[in-house]
Amino acid sequence: SQELEQSPQSLIVQEGKNLTINCTSSKTLYGLYWYKQKYGEGLIFLMMLQKGGEEKSHEKITAKLDEKKQQSSLHITASQPSHAGIYLCGVGSTGNQFYFGTGTSLTVIP
Amino acid sequence: EPEVTQTPSHQVTQMGQEVILRCVPISNHLYFYWYRQILGQKVEFLVSFYNNEISEKSEIFDDQFSVERPDGSNFTLKIRSTKLEDSAMYFCASSAFQGRSYEQYFGPGTRLTVT
Repeated sequence: SQELEQSPQSLIVQEGKNLTINCTSSKTLYGLYWYKQKYGEGLIFLMMLQKGGEEKSHEKITAKLDEKKQQSSLHITASQPSHAGIYLCGVGSTGNQFYFGTGTSLTVIP
Repeated sequence: EPEVTQTPSHQVTQMGQEVILRCVPISNHLYFYWYRQILGQKVEFLVSFYNNEISEKSEIFDDQFSVERPDGSNFTLKIRSTKLEDSAMYFCASSAFQGRSYEQYFGPGTRLTVT
């Protein structure tokens, strides 16, 4: 199986601040997904990174994949209360399973 | 944009009762999955389904659970004799192909509360 460790586990930031969430894999990364989840609710797809060095942005959220480090980072610029939630990284496998990270809980204080 | 739907959004049941959680995958997808997330914990894989058969299941997916594709559109998860520890969010997902390069599309989840 593949383990995905996210850091930090939780984050509290003031509105307007930038922040970074990391996802480190126990195995080689061939691609990685980022999801957001409001507490107790469904998963919202944010973006998928497929190649090493790939960087994608959506609104104020930027994600990057570093294959050599087996790591991906998610960066939020000028955070807003609407960014609050749990951020999950995830990877597919050659089999059928999809593995999720341990999650990072983000609180944005207005 | 096509999406995976799940019903009901919230199900409350008494311990020992049977529940059926329903999912409508994206119409041209061939692979179907169920995941579970106990509150505050990781999202965990339960089972995958292809060509009317279970293709992979986790140790969580014991004899209490079963899956079915009763018609061309629905994909169901049945939990027999529910236990308190079955309380969780259950996510259905589907994909067009199998493998790490192919996104699994997740439904909004069904929150199951066992009392």
